[in-house]
Amino acid sequence: SQQGEEDPQALSIQEGENATMNCSYKTSINNLQWYRQNSGRGLVHLILIRSNEREKHSGRLRVTLDTSKKSSSLLITASRAADTASYFCATVNGGSYIPTFGRGTSLIVHP
Amino acid sequence: DAGITQSPRYKITETGRQVTLMCHQTWSHSYMFWYRQDLGHGLRLIYYSAAADITDKGEVPDGYVVSRSKTENFPLTLESATRSQTSVYFCASREGGPGETQYFGPGTRLLVL
Repeated sequence: SQQGEEDPQALSIQEGENATMNCSYKTSINNLQWYRQNSGRGLVHLILIRSNEREKHSGRLRVTLDTSKKSSSLLITASRAADTASYFCATVNGGSYIPTFGRGTSLIVHP
Repeated sequence: DAGITQSPRYKITETGRQVTLMCHQTWSHSYMFWYRQDLGHGLRLIYYSAAADITDKGEVPDGYVVSRSKTENFPLTLESATRSQTSVYFCASREGGPGETQYFGPGTRLLVL
C-alpha cells in the first residue's frame, strides 16, 4: 500500500507561475525523496530531504518537510513548459531501506 | 553504455506464456528493484535485491520470480503471464543505504493478450 500520497492528483498552470505539490505519509520516515517522470520515461531523482531537515533547495526546486504533520511539499518556481511531467514522492521508513512511492501529481505547464 | 538498461522495451505476449524482462546496470550498485506502474496505483514494488544471491518480496510479488546471480543483472520472470500483469515495468538500482538516490531504467511496456 502507498505510504506517501500526493496532492493534488493533477495541476495545470501557466508558464512562469509557481507549482506546489504536497505529499502526506503515515509512519515515521528516515527520508523523503521527490522524483519526476516525463511521459514514457523512467523516474528521475530530484531531491532528498532527511527527517532532521526542514527545507532544501535545488535550483528552482524547494522542498519542505514537516514531520509533525507528516507532510512534505515540492515547490517549482517560475515554471516552464519543460516542467510538464508527473511528480512522485517516495518515503523511506526508519526500519527499511525500501522507498515507497505515492501515486503522483500530474503537472501540465502551458506555454 | 553506462547506466541502467532494460530489455525488451516493448513486449506483447499471450496468457500462460513465460516472459523474462531483463535489467542491467553498469555501476555495480548493491541494490536493485523491480516496480510495476499502473494507472491509479502509482509504482508498486514487486521484488528487490540487496546484493547478489539475496532477494526479497515487495508489495506485489505473486506471479513473478527473480534471480540475482551477478551484481549487474536482475531479471524478472513472469512464470505464466496473466492479463492483470499488463503494465509498465521499471527496474531501478541504488548504490547503498536509504539515503542514496535510486536510478531508474527506461521501462518495459508489457501487454498480455
